[in-house]
Amino acid sequence: EDQVTQSPEALRLQEGESSSLNCSYTVSGLRGLFWYRQDPGKGPEFLFTLYSAGEEKEKERLKATLTKKESFLHITAPKPEDSATYLCAVQFQGAQKLVFGQGTRLTINP
Amino acid sequence: DAGVIQSPRHEVTEMGQEVTLRCKPISGHNSLFWYRQTMMRGLELLIYFNNNVPIDDSGMPEDRFSAKMPNASFSTLKIQPSEPRDSAVYFCASSFRDLGLAGGRLARHEQYFGPGTRLTVT
Repeated sequence: EDQVTQSPEALRLQEGESSSLNCSYTVSGLRGLFWYRQDPGKGPEFLFTLYSAGEEKEKERLKATLTKKESFLHITAPKPEDSATYLCAVQFQGAQKLVFGQGTRLTINP
Repeated sequence: DAGVIQSPRHEVTEMGQEVTLRCKPISGHNSLFWYRQTMMRGLELLIYFNNNVPIDDSGMPEDRFSAKMPNASFSTLKIQPSEPRDSAVYFCASSFRDLGLAGGRLARHEQYFGPGTRLTVT
């Protein structure tokens, strides 16, 4: 069965302390991998789409990378406003729907 | 430009009552998705529509759940009768599916989510 696993479940960092979140997937054919940010009480907010191994996307302090079996969301010098739950989702070949991971709850302490 | 609009934002109802959740997708989008989010199961797809036609409803929990999309700018998710285990946050999302690039990499499939409806069934 196709699965999406995110790690760690929760991560607490000090402001300025860089780190990475992981999203691994077992899928026969990847069409796209998506990263979302979700703040408490709000809907997921789209961040990035990655389509093929080796691809990278950047937005402010965030950079997403993709290999054949996993994706990383790198956070460089994070600020407290980067605190949120980060979700990854996979779209399989021949399918339109997304399968979401359980998310990583990121807390940045000032 | 307005994003996905959902109503109500909060709903509290008693077990056995009918609940109707509403969604207005982003103008110009031709795909609409209904999700449910709980702590235990995370974000789960319930059903999605392309051009107002239901494509995959395999995520709908049981016959108590039904969804309609009478036109391109409106969809409803109905639960009848509601049960306490239906308590969750329900999200609607929309996207633009470029049918001319059938599965091609350039087809944009990003889904944009609404603010959600928090449903509590007592």
